[in-house]
Amino acid sequence: EPEVTQTPSHQVTQMGQEVILRCVPISNHLYFYWYRQILGQKVEFLVSFYNNEISEKSEIFDDQFSVERPDGSNFTLKIRSTKLEDSAMYFCASRGGTSGTTRWQFFGPGTRLTVL
Amino acid sequence: EDQVTQSPEALRLQEGESSSLNCSYTVSGLRGLFWYRQDPGKGPEFLFTLYSAGEEKEKERLKATLTKKESFLHITAPKPEDSATYLCAVQASGSARQLTFGSGTQLTVLP
Repeated sequence: EPEVTQTPSHQVTQMGQEVILRCVPISNHLYFYWYRQILGQKVEFLVSFYNNEISEKSEIFDDQFSVERPDGSNFTLKIRSTKLEDSAMYFCASRGGTSGTTRWQFFGPGTRLTVL
Repeated sequence: EDQVTQSPEALRLQEGESSSLNCSYTVSGLRGLFWYRQDPGKGPEFLFTLYSAGEEKEKERLKATLTKKESFLHITAPKPEDSATYLCAVQASGSARQLTFGSGTQLTVLP
């Protein structure tokens, strides 16, 4: 069964360092997302990406964040200068289209980011 | 602003004891209501999507229903392996189809 994969599963970094979180969405999906979940809190939307550009972003997604689809399979989230409050679980998600079951959004297993 | 509220926050059931989880929502034009299961340290696992009031979906011991203001996830004769956090999320119209999540209900099924 196709699935979203994410690497690494756990990333530890020092405050101020840059991190790149990687995702491989389900093959032939067209819409890609990043969400985050701070420990004990809700899953929160960060950004959506379609047709090689950001389609929507939340207030959380400030200038420190960027996304990229460098090739046909990977989807990355970069945090330029990490802060303590960036510590969270980051989930990548993808969906195939806009009708029927293609509207279903599937999540990866997450990357736990710990900023020291 | 879209809002999703889930209740109860936590629920403990004996194996075989049926119950329901509630998800109430306010959204400007619902495109879909999603139920996910989340195990500790894992990503949300897709369960159901409901699109219009009156719709029902079933999967094994789970049944999801939808009204104009809320959704219920009914669990019939649960087993310990059903223990997880159940997340409800709404997808609003006019957006990039991102999901707005509730805080979840942590379900524990005791043997």
